[in-house]
Amino acid sequence: EAQVTQNPRYLITVTGKKLTVTCSQNMNHEYMSWYRQDPGLGLRQIYYSMNVEVTDKGDVPEGYKVSRKEKRNFPLILESPSPNQTSLYFCASTWADTQYFGPGTRLTVL
Amino acid sequence: AQSVAQPEDQVNVAEGNPLTVKCTYSVSGNPYLFWYVQYPNRGLQFLLKYITGDNLVKGSYGFEAEFNKSQTSFHLKKPSALVSDSALYFCAVGGRGSTLGRLYFGRGTQLTVWP
Repeated sequence: EAQVTQNPRYLITVTGKKLTVTCSQNMNHEYMSWYRQDPGLGLRQIYYSMNVEVTDKGDVPEGYKVSRKEKRNFPLILESPSPNQTSLYFCASTWADTQYFGPGTRLTVL
Repeated sequence: AQSVAQPEDQVNVAEGNPLTVKCTYSVSGNPYLFWYVQYPNRGLQFLLKYITGDNLVKGSYGFEAEFNKSQTSFHLKKPSALVSDSALYFCAVGGRGSTLGRLYFGRGTQLTVWP
């Protein structure tokens, strides 16, 4: 079954404690993206990747890092999380000009 | 710069009535336009897209959208609403070519269908 998976689905952490949210797709898609969703703001793109070792900033990249060492994986790294990064995060991969989304990761930073 | 506006935060409609969720866009060049739906505590599901061709696009669950270039609009429609259509709907505009991975979302419209 074609899908985008994210882990963990829920995470509560404290300010400054480094964390990684994993994203994986089994469809051999080249493009992958990360978004955050906040009430009243819709979804905003954090980073996207066009292929292995090729990434670019989206609209809200501050405080985040990404890497794309293999085609199937696109982890999102928060080196020093802060409370304003409390949000719902979605990973997506692109096929035929359309982005398909993972189930989301709800992150709370205390 | 590319942007999307959804002028209504909420749309309420009675079951069986037609529904419209509005979207306008601002892009340079020809747009890729999308509608997604988010049910409570779920991820985003792709509904339909306009890339080129016929201005009326049909998608999942009986939804359709009309691309209007002169009005820069891409309104989502359904002839007869169901209670199960109640959800959060997002319009988005996508990049082309070198910006293919970019996707710009509107703020979302909460659709409530009353029984």
